[in-house]
Amino acid sequence: IAGITQAPTSQILAAGRRMTLRCTQDMRHNAMYWYRQDLGLGLRLIHYSNTAGTTGKGEVPDGYSVSRANTDDFPLTLASAVPSQTSVYFCASSDSLAGEQYFGPGTRLTVT
Amino acid sequence: GQNIDQPTEMTATEGAIVQINCTYQTSGFNGLFWYQQHAGEAPTFLSYNVLDGLEEKGRFSSFLSRSKGYSYLLLKELQMKDSASYLCAVMDSNYQLIWGAGTKLIIKP
Repeated sequence: IAGITQAPTSQILAAGRRMTLRCTQDMRHNAMYWYRQDLGLGLRLIHYSNTAGTTGKGEVPDGYSVSRANTDDFPLTLASAVPSQTSVYFCASSDSLAGEQYFGPGTRLTVT
Repeated sequence: GQNIDQPTEMTATEGAIVQINCTYQTSGFNGLFWYQQHAGEAPTFLSYNVLDGLEEKGRFSSFLSRSKGYSYLLLKELQMKDSASYLCAVMDSNYQLIWGAGTKLIIKP
């Protein structure tokens, strides 16, 4: 079934550790996004990529980095995790900049 | 600043109709989206409006007034499975989605 996969499903991480959240889509979408979702707040864009080889900063990029080496994969890295990065992280993709976004199942991350 | 407002929570009865409102102030406008999100799951696309008026899709309809910065999602013939959060999002001039915090809809039998 076509779609977006994310790994891991959940993770407990000690503060200061490095962590990469993986995201893969098989829909050949050009654009990909990383959001975080916190209780009582709307989804907030961390980083995005309009096409393979390019990335951009969203609303809350500090402490996170991304890469887009190919069309399918868009990993998100936390270089040195802090407790405020405890959240649910969603990866999404869209065929075009203005198109609907399709979401992965999410990664629940707890930083202790 | 950019802002999306929607009610935090609403309650409705199975079989009834409910309207979820969304008001927005954004830097530019390239369309308004509604998503459904069941607890513990990912958001899924419901509707898209870029021109004023009503878009109907089965039991769900979405309305847009760009001059008023206002949209609503109308759910008819409510079913228990419609219990979920409904997220309003506006695409700004940079083609980035600005999201509301979501409206939790509780359906009672």
